[in-house]
Amino acid sequence: NAGVTQTPKFQVLKTGQSMTLQCAQDMNHEYMSWYRQDPGMGLRLIHYSVGAGITDQGEVPNGYNVSRSTTEDFPLRLLSAAPSQTSVYFCASGGTGDNYGYTFGSGTRLTVV
Amino acid sequence: AQSVTQLGSHVSVSEGALVLLRCNYSSSVPPYLFWYVQYPNQGLQLLLKYTTGATLVKGINGFEAEFKKSETSFHLTKPSAHMSDAAEYFCAVSEGSNDYKLSFGAGTTVTVRA
Repeated sequence: NAGVTQTPKFQVLKTGQSMTLQCAQDMNHEYMSWYRQDPGMGLRLIHYSVGAGITDQGEVPNGYNVSRSTTEDFPLRLLSAAPSQTSVYFCASGGTGDNYGYTFGSGTRLTVV
Repeated sequence: AQSVTQLGSHVSVSEGALVLLRCNYSSSVPPYLFWYVQYPNQGLQLLLKYTTGATLVKGINGFEAEFKKSETSFHLTKPSAHMSDAAEYFCAVSEGSNDYKLSFGAGTTVTVRA
């Protein structure tokens, strides 16, 4: 059982480049989210999805796009990378009922130069 | 909207001593509360959660937390620290079973002295 898989683990981008961070889960969870982690700020919600075809903005959505065409996948797109997007990105998927709560991926460390 | 405050960005304890990490929250509805642990260069692992029912919640690795509504707190404790407890700990809150938007505290880094 792989849980939540994020790729790549590390990435260096030049300012202005675009890229997609991949996230896949094999737990049939409806809920998926993207967070960014910056020192001293905890994790902040970028975008989230409550099911295939449904997405919404979180606390810090600017500069990022998402889509959810399948239950399993929730990619995060950086449209034009900026140094302020240097961060560690975590994808998470959430179960319901007694299994309520998120399972997090191992993260993608992104550096924008 | 909900929010979380973790008191103390760094905590240092001796091996075998009590670990106490403080978390206060604000929420307009009955909250769901979580503690996560993050080891260096790893993702977040759920330690324990409170949703409804018993206010004293036991988690993995000997940790427990108590939900105190009157104090809007959810402090994390462990009676006896181990070297392996050195990590960063995050408190998080959501607004119930239909809300999956977690709000996190800034985190508390725990170091354990031999």
